Amino acid sequence: DGGITQSPKYLFRKEGQNVTLSCEQNLNHDAMYWYRQDPGQGLRLIYYSQIVNDFQKGDIAEGYSVSREKKESFPLTVTSAQKNPTAFYLCASSMSRTDTQYFGPGTRLTVL
Amino acid sequence: AQSVTQPDIHITVSEGASLELRCNYSYGATPYLFWYVQSPGQGLQLLLKYFSGDTLVQGIKGFEAEFKRSQSSFNLRKPSVHWSDAAEYFCAVGRNAGGTSYGKLTFGQGTILTVHP
Repeated sequence: DGGITQSPKYLFRKEGQNVTLSCEQNLNHDAMYWYRQDPGQGLRLIYYSQIVNDFQKGDIAEGYSVSREKKESFPLTVTSAQKNPTAFYLCASSMSRTDTQYFGPGTRLTVL
Repeated sequence: AQSVTQPDIHITVSEGASLELRCNYSYGATPYLFWYVQSPGQGLQLLLKYFSGDTLVQGIKGFEAEFKRSQSSFNLRKPSVHWSDAAEYFCAVGRNAGGTSYGKLTFGQGTILTVHP
């Protein structure tokens, strides 16, 4: 079945540590996105990538980094510079820049 | 800049009752409009979308939405709610990605739907 997978589902991190969240899609979509979700704030765009080896900052990129070495993969690293990383992180992909975005199941990150 | 407002943070309805969730957007041109649904701890599922054409859009699970340009609204409706519809609903607006822009989505803050038996 085609879809978007995110791993792990739950992630715990100590303060000062970097962590990497995985996002893989087998939909052959060109564009991929990372969102952060906090209660009562909707979804906010962290980074997006339109094609392999290219990515752009979204609205809240500070403290995060990404890579896009393969079409199907778009990992997100939450660095120690992110002051409030506890949140639910959602990955999405779309066929093109104008097309509908489809979402993965999410990763809940908790900083201890 | 584009923006989306969902005025109702939480709505409670009885099973079998009709439902309308409000969405107002701010955008300088004809927008792309979406409704997504999210169950607790899950990702977002697309309910329906409007790109152009007929302003009344049908979606999955018996939902529909109507694009009203004069009111800058895209309200979601369902004639008879089922207990399984309890979830959080998000409206989103996107823009034409012609030129050097891209298909960015701006989301509303969400409306939590509770369904009483």
